[in-house]
Order: sequence, then C-alpha cells, then structure tokens
Amino acid sequence: DTAVSQTPKYLVTQMGNDKSIKCEQNLGHDTMYWYKQDSKKFLKIMFSYNNKELIINETVPNRFSPKSPDKAHLNLHINSLELGDSAVYFCASSQDLRTNLYGYTFGSGTRLTVV
Amino acid sequence: KQEVTQIPAALSVPEGENLVLNCSFTDSAIYNLQWFRQDPGKGLTSLLLIQSSQREQTSGRLNASLDKSSGRSTLYIAASQPGDSATYLCALNDYKLSFGAGTTVTVRA
Repeated sequence: DTAVSQTPKYLVTQMGNDKSIKCEQNLGHDTMYWYKQDSKKFLKIMFSYNNKELIINETVPNRFSPKSPDKAHLNLHINSLELGDSAVYFCASSQDLRTNLYGYTFGSGTRLTVV
Repeated sequence: KQEVTQIPAALSVPEGENLVLNCSFTDSAIYNLQWFRQDPGKGLTSLLLIQSSQREQTSGRLNASLDKSSGRSTLYIAASQPGDSATYLCALNDYKLSFGAGTTVTVRA
C-alpha cells in the first residue's frame, strides 16, 4: 500500500534525450509536488499542483514540464536532458495547499543520471 | 524568502548518548514544521510534525520543540542506537516546504 509511488526508481540516459518520471498518490491529497535533491543533498521545490492546477514553478528551466492528469497523478517530463539534470527527484503530496495538518508524504525518489 | 539552517552538519556519538539536532529559520510565518529522516539512497521518512500553534511533539524516543519567536526547532533523540544513523532534515511549511541541508548522524556501537 505505497502512499506515494514513483517510477522508475533509477533512470540512466544520454544527454539530449527526453524522459518522463511518473508519480501517483493514493492518499486522497489535493496537492502534489516535485522536489530535486542535488549532489550536495539539498532538497529544493520545483513545482506544486493543487487539484491539477499549477501553483508553484520555482524558476525551473522550461525543459521541465509537469503534467497532472488528475489530482492523484503528477508526472514530470524533461526535454533535452543535460548533465546538470543528474539528481534525485522526489514526488510528494499533502492534504491541501497550505495548512497541511498531516504534513507531507514523500515518494522513494527517482535517481536520474545523465551521461 | 525562508532560510533554514541546521547545525551541526554532522554528528558522531557513541551508542546510548542523547542526540540534539538544531534547526533555525528566518521567517516565523509558517503553518508547521516537519522533521524527516533520510537513509543513504532512500526517500524521506516523516518523524514528527509540529503545528505552528504547538510548542512540542513527542513520539517514542523522539521529541521536537518549536520556538517561533526565536526561529528555532530542536530534535532530541534519547538513548541513541546504531539504527538511528541517518541524515535528519528539518523542513518549514509556508505553503511549500523549505528544507535545511540536514544533519548527518552516526551512532557508533
């Protein structure tokens, strides 16, 4: 009964390729997020969606395009991959956009390596 | 912009010693604060969630305090065990989670 699941867990690809990461949550939460953890292990928000609507876009290159077909899914598509995109990408969800009485729940991460 | 600082960056203690992990933040206009644990190569596990109106939360050997007036939170882990070795992350929620860089803890058997 994984609450927030991401696929794939590992992704190795060449520069210039296009790839997607999928995320699904079965918690009934309204809000979903993408976070990036860089090589220094620092976690930073990329996007948030609330009920399929884009709320936060934290100055992420437009090669990154999130898509939320419904509030239980938030996918991340990356075009023209660059070496600097290598990182661990975490999907997360929360009950709502602000108060989040029950906190955030994170997926297990997708380790992207661009070669 | 919320800035979150965690001190120390790394900590090594013998088994049985109590752990004190510090988190400071610049903007006290938060909804809540969440402490996470991250094992190497793994995801984030939520440990404790403190709402803005609360002063502390406890779960087993873990206790977290929140002092918004001074912009500080402290995570206490009593009687540490080797299984407590991990990176501990503090995150502030002000409509998005802002993370500190973490404290990497090693508990020596």
